[in-house]
Amino acid sequence: DTEVTQTPKHLVMGMTNKKSLKCEQHMGHRAMYWYKQKAKKPPELMFVYSYEKLSINESVPSRFSPECPNSSLLNLHLHALQPEDSALYLCASSQDHYEQYFGPGTRLTVT
Amino acid sequence: QKEVEQNSGPLSVPEGAIASLNCTYSDRGSQSFFWYRQYSGKSPELIMFIYSNGDKEDGRFTAQLNKASQYVSLLIRDSQPSDSATYLCAAITGGGNKLTFGTGTQLKVEL
Repeated sequence: DTEVTQTPKHLVMGMTNKKSLKCEQHMGHRAMYWYKQKAKKPPELMFVYSYEKLSINESVPSRFSPECPNSSLLNLHLHALQPEDSALYLCASSQDHYEQYFGPGTRLTVT
Repeated sequence: QKEVEQNSGPLSVPEGAIASLNCTYSDRGSQSFFWYRQYSGKSPELIMFIYSNGDKEDGRFTAQLNKASQYVSLLIRDSQPSDSATYLCAAITGGGNKLTFGTGTQLKVEL
C-alpha cells in the first residue's frame, strides 16, 4: 500500500485567514515532504521532515509553518497568505529519502 | 544550467508506437532517478525508479540510465491514449535528501 492522504481536497481562504493542511501516511515511512506546484510547472520542494525533525526548509516565507506531530502526520499551517500562494500543495513520504509517494494534493485558492 | 532537464514537448506518438522520453542531469553525484506520471489536475504518480546503469523493465515501461553520459530515459511500448500525461524526470540531489524535478515532458498518444 502506497497511500498518502491529504485533507482538504480544496481550500479557499482569504488573506487574513488561518487554515491548516493535513497529510497522513501509514506506510512506516520516516521522511515526509511538502511541495508547492503551480500550473504547468514541476513540484517545488518546501520542507522536509526526517524522523519527525525538520531537515530542510527551502527558504519558505514564514506565513507557511510546517508541523510534524508524529511519524504518520504532517501539517502545514497557513496564515496571511497572498494570492500568488494559490497552488496545488502536495505531501509526499518516503523510506530513507528514495522513492517518494505523493498524496492527491490540496488545491488552494487565496482570495 | 538546470540540474535536471527535459524537453517540454508536446511529444506526439500514434497509438501502439513506442514513446521515448529523455532527461539529462548535471550533478554527477546523483545516484537515484525517478519517473513520475502526472495527469492534468492530479498529483504525480511514481512509475519507475532506476539506480544502476543499464535498463530496467516493468511491464510496458523501460527506464534506461547512462551515468557516464548523465542521461536517463523512459520508453513506453504499445502507447495507449491513457498514457497521455506529463512525465516528470527526477533525481536525488543535494547530498541525498532532496528530489529535484525536470520541467516535465507532455506526451500525447493519438488514435
